[in-house]
Amino acid sequence: ETGVTQSPTHLIKTRGQQVTLRCSSQSGHNTVSWYQQALGQGPQFIFQYYREEENGRGNFPPRFSGLQFPNYSSELNVNALELDDSALYLCASSLGGVKVGGELFFGEGSRLTVL
Amino acid sequence: EDKVVQSPLSLVVHEGDTVTLNCSYEVTNFRSLLWYKQEKKAPTFLFMLTSSGIEKKSGRLSSILDKKELFSILNITATQTGDSAVYLCAVLYNTDKLIFGTGTRLQVFP
Repeated sequence: ETGVTQSPTHLIKTRGQQVTLRCSSQSGHNTVSWYQQALGQGPQFIFQYYREEENGRGNFPPRFSGLQFPNYSSELNVNALELDDSALYLCASSLGGVKVGGELFFGEGSRLTVL
Repeated sequence: EDKVVQSPLSLVVHEGDTVTLNCSYEVTNFRSLLWYKQEKKAPTFLFMLTSSGIEKKSGRLSSILDKKELFSILNITATQTGDSAVYLCAVLYNTDKLIFGTGTRLQVFP
């Protein structure tokens, strides 16, 4: 148990739809990162939020957007879903990163299937 | 382009065998290298390596980093069926952003 919770755990959407995934970070953590893990691949960095502001973004199109709330929970939104968006979406929380050397605590993930 | 490469991609062994997993990297602004074990969904943290040549151990697992040659190895001795998982290597850059390799899938049979 890492104290990071994600919802929903599984969901199925069709192409063109929109999806919102949610993440509650571990208590006291102010940084949330989102990763996409396609089948048979390692996780890929989508973006990170630190104290409600985006703090870095990976190579993902603008239809991937996010939000962090004052309680440091976070949402990942994906618009105009494509088949290739099918993946496990992992949320990871940390406390500002540098001080603790970057140990991230991962949630169990949300598995998205796009038909 | 920053990259992390793991080998082998897949490994099948019998209980009691010793395995070595490899991870090489080319990442600017390198801070640390981390190993994770992923059994079903959430990767679980194993080791973080920052300095060259210092072995980290946890039970039957150990790992070491070579910052000159830009690689790390993860050793598992006396493997057990419970070690079956995907082992992910990741490099921490900037603050707390990670670049992952594709992972090594380890299967341990009785």
